[in-house]
Amino acid sequence: EVRLVESGGGLVKPGGSLRLSCAASGFTFSNIWMSWIRQAPGKGLEWVGRIRSKTEGGTTDYAAPVKGRFTISRDDSKHTLYLQMNSLKTEDTAVYYCTTDPWPFDNWGQGTLVTVSS
Amino acid sequence: EIVLTQSPGTLSLSPGERATLSCRASQSVSNYLAWYQQKPGQAPRLLIYDASSRATGIPARFSGSGSGTDFTLIISSLEPEDFAVYYCHQRSSWYTFGQGTKLEIK
Repeated sequence: EVRLVESGGGLVKPGGSLRLSCAASGFTFSNIWMSWIRQAPGKGLEWVGRIRSKTEGGTTDYAAPVKGRFTISRDDSKHTLYLQMNSLKTEDTAVYYCTTDPWPFDNWGQGTLVTVSS
Repeated sequence: EIVLTQSPGTLSLSPGERATLSCRASQSVSNYLAWYQQKPGQAPRLLIYDASSRATGIPARFSGSGSGTDFTLIISSLEPEDFAVYYCHQRSSWYTFGQGTKLEIK
């Protein structure tokens, strides 16, 4: 059974940093692209970015609102996906989900809440 | 960026009724469209992909259709557990989501 468990969310001040983790199990993590999706309170879903498998270069893509501030990485030995978030803004407040990628996104974690507030 | 516009914003129906949800893309996405269901406090659940293919374990009362720019999700006979928010999602050009349709009990 595929299982994704996000962690690392919390309260952070504007301009601060936070690193989220997504622990994966139940599939061959190293072979799979992964994406982060976020959802602001009471709002819709927004794709944040993705990372390819190492065999396909391990490269990343980001949505415009987070490009240059967020970095996605992976540790295949630990079956873990990361999202490093720097220069956080109040509009980054959201529940952050990790998902398996390729599309469609049929496996999601439970999400972790990030609140950016002074 | 491809914008997905869902209508209506809110749909009020009774159990047993038929629900028709629409999603329109700002440019063609071919058939690269998916539908998700989300209940409060839960992650989205994949219902339909490639516009009309049901995901594993999804009941037959859910069906999807369309191609290009206009897509429809139909729930043929609403069950109490179907009242939720539904999102469409495309992968033709990067990934974007619609703003959602809330299906509420009338």
